[in-house]
Amino acid sequence: GDSVTQMEGPVTLSEEAFLTINCTYTATGYPSLFWYVQYPGEGLQLLLKATKADDKGSNKGFEATYRKETTSFHLEKGSVQVSDSAVYFCALNTDKLIFGTGTRLQVFP
Amino acid sequence: DAGVIQSPRHEVTEMGQEVTLRCKPISGHNSLFWYRQTMMRGLELLIYFNNNVPIDDSGMPEDRFSAKMPNASFSTLKIQPSEPRDSAVYFCASSPSLAGGEETQYFGPGTRLLVL
Repeated sequence: GDSVTQMEGPVTLSEEAFLTINCTYTATGYPSLFWYVQYPGEGLQLLLKATKADDKGSNKGFEATYRKETTSFHLEKGSVQVSDSAVYFCALNTDKLIFGTGTRLQVFP
Repeated sequence: DAGVIQSPRHEVTEMGQEVTLRCKPISGHNSLFWYRQTMMRGLELLIYFNNNVPIDDSGMPEDRFSAKMPNASFSTLKIQPSEPRDSAVYFCASSPSLAGGEETQYFGPGTRLLVL
């Protein structure tokens, strides 16, 4: 069946460091791909998405490119801030959202 | 827009009691989803509705769980009887439509359930 695999966390970085969170997927067909973010005590909110191969989603300095050849959708940010500390979920959607296990990011000043 | 509204935000109950969680989706959204989040199992889709009709309830863990959507602006998730292993955060989400998976889902703040 369809599935999403994310890198294990926590990821611990200093402010202004470069961030990569790896995400790969397995799916039949052509899913849409998403990154959601969950801040402490809150629900998930969409960070960015891409609906077809080679699309790049971007928001708040975060980017991810839909790579069909490597079945990947890695999340990147050039310079993280303390306020980016949260749990990040990669997800795919064919007829329903399937989430990865989440990656906790901790950014220290 | 108020976003997805869930109530209660916190619920503490004793084993064997009935628990009812409530959700009001974003106005105009036709699809509604119930999720459960635990440390052990992560995020699990329990059930989803489209135009108030249940489409897939294969994620509902057992017969103690039931969900209804009597109209476009209200849904309930009921656990009867509740057990300690049901302790989790339950999220409701809505989206404009199913639309082949392109639609964004908007999540509520969740209900944190503790069954003693």
